[in-house]
Amino acid sequence: SAVISQKPSRDICQRGTSLTIQCQVDSQVTMMFWYRQQPGQSLTLIATANQGSEATYESGFVIDKFPISRPNLTFSTLTVSNMSPEDSSIYLCSVGRDLLFFGPGTRLTVL
Amino acid sequence: AQTVTQSQPEMSVQEAETVTLSCTYDTSESDYYLFWYKQPPSRQMILVIRQEAYKQQNATENRFSVNFQKAAKSFSLKISDSQLGDAAMYFCAYSGGSNYKLTFGKGTLLTVNP
Repeated sequence: SAVISQKPSRDICQRGTSLTIQCQVDSQVTMMFWYRQQPGQSLTLIATANQGSEATYESGFVIDKFPISRPNLTFSTLTVSNMSPEDSSIYLCSVGRDLLFFGPGTRLTVL
Repeated sequence: AQTVTQSQPEMSVQEAETVTLSCTYDTSESDYYLFWYKQPPSRQMILVIRQEAYKQQNATENRFSVNFQKAAKSFSLKISDSQLGDAAMYFCAYSGGSNYKLTFGKGTLLTVNP
């Protein structure tokens, strides 16, 4: 199984600002995903981070709000832009193909 | 579109007893994977068990086993000899096709009583 780390583990941000979350994997992986878990809810896929090309976003998520970078096969970033209190969630990266593993998550609170 | 339904928002079990968590799904795919993930208060998503749809044999991992009924599109999780550390939110998830994206159910909060 892959070892996945995320930074920061938590943050409290002001409305209107942006936060970049990093995801680092200890081995090269082809598939990397970003999920959001709103308070008391299940996980929802934001996008698939593609190495060397633009991320593939799910319905309801747009690049201007959640820009994603994937410079290589072990690293990705998710930025939450122009934040509002509704963006308060846990953001998780996951990697794998037919077996998916998750990072520890980033708990974001927007005031 | 694929959907995953967990009809039990909360369940409780006595320590050392057995509990079954229910999950149904809807898909038009013939080849897919089903998962149970556990999320304790630490919020870490932990893979409990995986079932490949083309395998008729039910997956088992120590005290955790599934009852996979492909025709009924049902995928329940049985936890035997429940332990206090099993207390967590349990999510059923589906992955199909070639994109490996997970679709999650709403989760079942399991409480284990001493």
